[in-house]
Amino acid sequence: QVELQQSGPGLVKPSQTLSLTCAISGDSVSSNSVTWNWIRQSPSRGLEWLGRTYHRSKWYNDSSVSVKTRITINPDTSKNQFSLQLNSVTPEDTAVYYCARAGYYSNRGAFDVWGQGTVVTVSS
Amino acid sequence: DIQMTQSPSSLSASVRDRVTITCRASQSISNFLNWYQQKPGKAPKLLIYIASSLQSGVPSRFSGSGSGTDFTLTISSLQPEDSATYFCQQSYSIPWTFGQGTKVEIK
Repeated sequence: QVELQQSGPGLVKPSQTLSLTCAISGDSVSSNSVTWNWIRQSPSRGLEWLGRTYHRSKWYNDSSVSVKTRITINPDTSKNQFSLQLNSVTPEDTAVYYCARAGYYSNRGAFDVWGQGTVVTVSS
Repeated sequence: DIQMTQSPSSLSASVRDRVTITCRASQSISNFLNWYQQKPGKAPKLLIYIASSLQSGVPSRFSGSGSGTDFTLTISSLQPEDSATYFCQQSYSIPWTFGQGTKVEIK
């Protein structure tokens, strides 16, 4: 059974960096058949896919244009986890943040395993 | 980006009713359409992938259909535990995008 466990602070000051980690059990961050994603949810923006990392002989990343200049998603093979960093946050980045696994082939882009969610508030 | 539009935004139905939710894409997405159920304070749960494939462990009263731009999620016999918000999501092209949600309440 695959599980994702999120960790990280729930309060971030404006202009600082939001950092979250997603620890994987029951699967490998280096798996060639899935991708590892970050998604957020807020009343104003709904569910918003932020970006992903995945391994296909080498590491790849994709991200949404809305956060492209501010986002970093990194895999950590030694700890079997991946992380999200979002720079220069504003109150508009306040949301529940989720990590999620998605299929790459037969169930392409379907998020079949989710983390528990982290409520992140951007406020001074 | 591909825009996903769901209707209705909310509905109220009785136990054992047949419920249908629709999702429309702003361009053709073939059959790359997924459905999720979300209950308050919880992460979304995958119900249907690739338009009509039932995710393992999901009750058979849930079904999906459609292709191109128009899709439906059907609950054949609504149960009390189906009270939730349902989202569609396209996985045709990056960035993956979601519908705004349909809240289903039990009368």
